[in-house]
Amino acid sequence: AQSVTQLGSHVSVSEGALVLLRCNYSSSVPPYLFWYVQYPNQGLQLLLKYTTGATLVKGINGFEAEFKKSETSFHLTKPSAHMSDAAEYFCAVSNFSGGYNKLIFGAGTRLAVHP
Amino acid sequence: DAGVTQSPTHLIKTRGQQVTLRCSPKSGHDTVSWYQQALGQGPQFIFQYYEEEERQRGNFPDRFSGHQFPNYSSELNVNALLLGDSALYLCASSSETSGTIAQETQYFGPGTRLLVL
Repeated sequence: AQSVTQLGSHVSVSEGALVLLRCNYSSSVPPYLFWYVQYPNQGLQLLLKYTTGATLVKGINGFEAEFKKSETSFHLTKPSAHMSDAAEYFCAVSNFSGGYNKLIFGAGTRLAVHP
Repeated sequence: DAGVTQSPTHLIKTRGQQVTLRCSPKSGHDTVSWYQQALGQGPQFIFQYYEEEERQRGNFPDRFSGHQFPNYSSELNVNALLLGDSALYLCASSSETSGTIAQETQYFGPGTRLLVL
């Protein structure tokens, strides 16, 4: 069975500081990995995804993530935080069970950015 | 190009009642998945519809049922509502024609927030 663990339910950074949100996965098959962002009272927006190929994936709004198979990790980073980055971030893995695609999400990390 | 839309945005029901939530997929998408997001948690997969059939189901009771129409829109029905059904219900759409199944990106709607009193 596949699973996702997000370390740290709350992360707080200063504006301009590095953002690092941690995600570890468990999968018996090559995983496809996703990061989604959820702003207050909104649905989920895709930030980036890893399927195959280059392990460093660039997404929207200056975010990127690196797939590290040896560490079973897919951490999300951004060099310089903006106030507008304050939101909830979800890491997800794609489940192939039965040949059909469904997403398994972590519990989420709430990012706060302070001046 | 309209994204995924859901209606209503908010809903208040009492225990034992039934509710129907609606979803219109992104243009060109033929697959609809439903997720339940309880407060403070990540979304949990309920089921997925393709070609008007439920083809995969998560760990949810039979009180949760759905339907997909020929235009690919979908409904989620919940019978005999419980307090624990209070959550944000998210619809996501995708397309099987864009590549391998697992590579499909699921695009999410804004959700319907259900409160059961």
